[in-house]
Amino acid sequence: DSGVTQTPKHLITATGQRVTLRCSPRSGDLSVYWYQQSLDQGLQFLIQYYNGEERAKGNILERFSAQQFPDLHSELNLSSLELGDSALYFCASRTGVNDGYTFGSGTRLTVV
Amino acid sequence: DAKTTQPPSMDCAEGRAANLPCNHSTISGNEYVYWYRQIHSQGPQYIIHGLKNNETNEMASLIITEDRKSSTLILPHATLRDTAVYYCIVRVGTGANNLFFGTGTRLTVIP
Repeated sequence: DSGVTQTPKHLITATGQRVTLRCSPRSGDLSVYWYQQSLDQGLQFLIQYYNGEERAKGNILERFSAQQFPDLHSELNLSSLELGDSALYFCASRTGVNDGYTFGSGTRLTVV
Repeated sequence: DAKTTQPPSMDCAEGRAANLPCNHSTISGNEYVYWYRQIHSQGPQYIIHGLKNNETNEMASLIITEDRKSSTLILPHATLRDTAVYYCIVRVGTGANNLFFGTGTRLTVIP
């Protein structure tokens, strides 16, 4: 157990639907990072939050959004889902600027 | 962040040392070298990082050349559980920046 908790572990949904992925960072970590890993793309950075505020954006689609709540957990919202959104979605947190990132075990999203 | 170059795959005999190279010839003075690994669809796992000096922890050793243009991750006694994709990443240590994963090296530990 890395200390970063992601739910659900698996999600199957239909095209056009909307889902929410949840991430709880390690206790005390203020930063949360979201990554997407599809078969042909590798690990792609989506977005970062720090203490409730958006800090950086990567290759995140406009159909996707995220937020970090006062208790520091984060949610990634994916809407108007397409088959190509099927992927593993990881979140990570870290304690300090020079520390390593700790990743969760991921959510496997399958869009059918 | 500086770009890194790693061999796509390597094999290592179980019990032997695995030496994974990484080139980062455009690294800047304030960029750290990080190593992560990903075991079959699990979340990436942090291994080690360093700036200039060689580093060692319970998992591995990191050897950084004096000019910092390349580094080697050493797993001293590879086991079958070390079979994974290993990513070498260089990034500035401070600020709101993020890890950019390349394609990594797929290490296969052979019995």
